[in-house]
Amino acid sequence: QKEVEQNSGPLSVPEGAIASLNCTYSDRGSQSFFWYRQYSGKSPELIMSIYSNGDKEDGRFTAQLNKASQYVSLLIRDSQPSDSATYLCAVQHTGRRALTFGSGTRLQVQP
Amino acid sequence: EAQVTQNPRYLITVTGKKLTVTCSQNMNHEYMSWYRQDPGLGLRQIYYSMNVEVTDKGDVPEGYKVSRKEKRNFPLILESPSPNQTSLYFCASSLKGAITEAFFGQGTRLTVV
Repeated sequence: QKEVEQNSGPLSVPEGAIASLNCTYSDRGSQSFFWYRQYSGKSPELIMSIYSNGDKEDGRFTAQLNKASQYVSLLIRDSQPSDSATYLCAVQHTGRRALTFGSGTRLQVQP
Repeated sequence: EAQVTQNPRYLITVTGKKLTVTCSQNMNHEYMSWYRQDPGLGLRQIYYSMNVEVTDKGDVPEGYKVSRKEKRNFPLILESPSPNQTSLYFCASSLKGAITEAFFGQGTRLTVV
């Protein structure tokens, strides 16, 4: 079992729709969770961070964390073609001094 | 402008020829790390450094060396590169380790033939 799992996709949604990206993790004691966006050939950039159960909203993005079920999700409202990228989930596992990344979900927003 | 700068951006080299990829950050971050990214495997950490003169292995350290003599610089050294080290490499820094946002460099695409 991978420590951080994501569906590789591609996830295809029409422009204006809500894109829902999911991530599960193995370490129940994990405390810090991040979503990064990576365009092809570019470096990852932080979209959202979340540390406690519930929802966190920032513009069109909402991160959701459920520690009991060990999943974190990212919702993108009013998806735009410019949102087409790979989204990486990253988790800080207990006692580890590094982030563990999932392999990413490729999102395609169709005009 | 706050940034992490890697050099070179692209490098093609031959097996066994020592190389260094430089990484520098201007944010006074304590924590720096190196990742490699391969298709289907995501980002895997090679080495990290909690502060000057403090380094430790990540998940895939074999074949790599690092040093942290100054807070801003964290070079990645391949003493004897092999074709399986062909990859996209990223340097990252953060203020306080994995609990805070990581800023990534532009990436170095390395090909070893």
